[in-house]
Amino acid sequence: SQQGEEDPQALSIQEGENATMNCSYKTSINNLQWYRQNSGRGLVHLILIRSNEREKHSGRLRVTLDTSKKSSSLLITASRAADTASYFCATEANFGNEKLTFGTGTRLTIIP
Amino acid sequence: DSGVTQTPKHLITATGQRVTLRCSPRSGDLSVYWYQQSLDQGLQFLIQYYNGEERAKGNILERFSAQQFPDLHSELNLSSLELGDSALYFCASSVDGAMGGYTFGSGTRLTVV
Repeated sequence: SQQGEEDPQALSIQEGENATMNCSYKTSINNLQWYRQNSGRGLVHLILIRSNEREKHSGRLRVTLDTSKKSSSLLITASRAADTASYFCATEANFGNEKLTFGTGTRLTIIP
Repeated sequence: DSGVTQTPKHLITATGQRVTLRCSPRSGDLSVYWYQQSLDQGLQFLIQYYNGEERAKGNILERFSAQQFPDLHSELNLSSLELGDSALYFCASSVDGAMGGYTFGSGTRLTVV
């Protein structure tokens, strides 16, 4: 079963615009991570935010976490064609299990 | 190249057959995770090994089994294959646990015909 649900399922924007994706999850977590997957390829780790953090930045990426609402958002600023991919959130639950549970993903298309 | 090597990249086999997928983790990583990705089920956790021992089990069918060897490479065995087993199978590794993130391999695309 999926821990996270991503919203929207698909997003198309013009190059240069900002892209925002949201993730909701169900259980208490140790951390939440975002991954990118280019079509049919392996997932690439983008950024990790711990449960006691509210916001984190990495280059053009900004992640927020609201543990009271069990939600997170990923903002990609100044999008580029190369950002076209699927984006997944993944959570590590805080009940001693180290595995990551992935959301359903957002398919992002950047229009040149 | 992520440092996690999966072989083969593609596999086509008939129903009822058995296949073995192989994964070599990134150098220094002790944990190996197997995931199945299909269009209707998304990314499903199958099983985790840490330094040769099974650590966590997910939605892994009884027809599937895995192991991690002393050199830390891992194999996922799928038997009595059904059409519904067609999917991308990913291996990921980490030093220990999820805190540092996973490094994924490029996957094995299994097609059962």
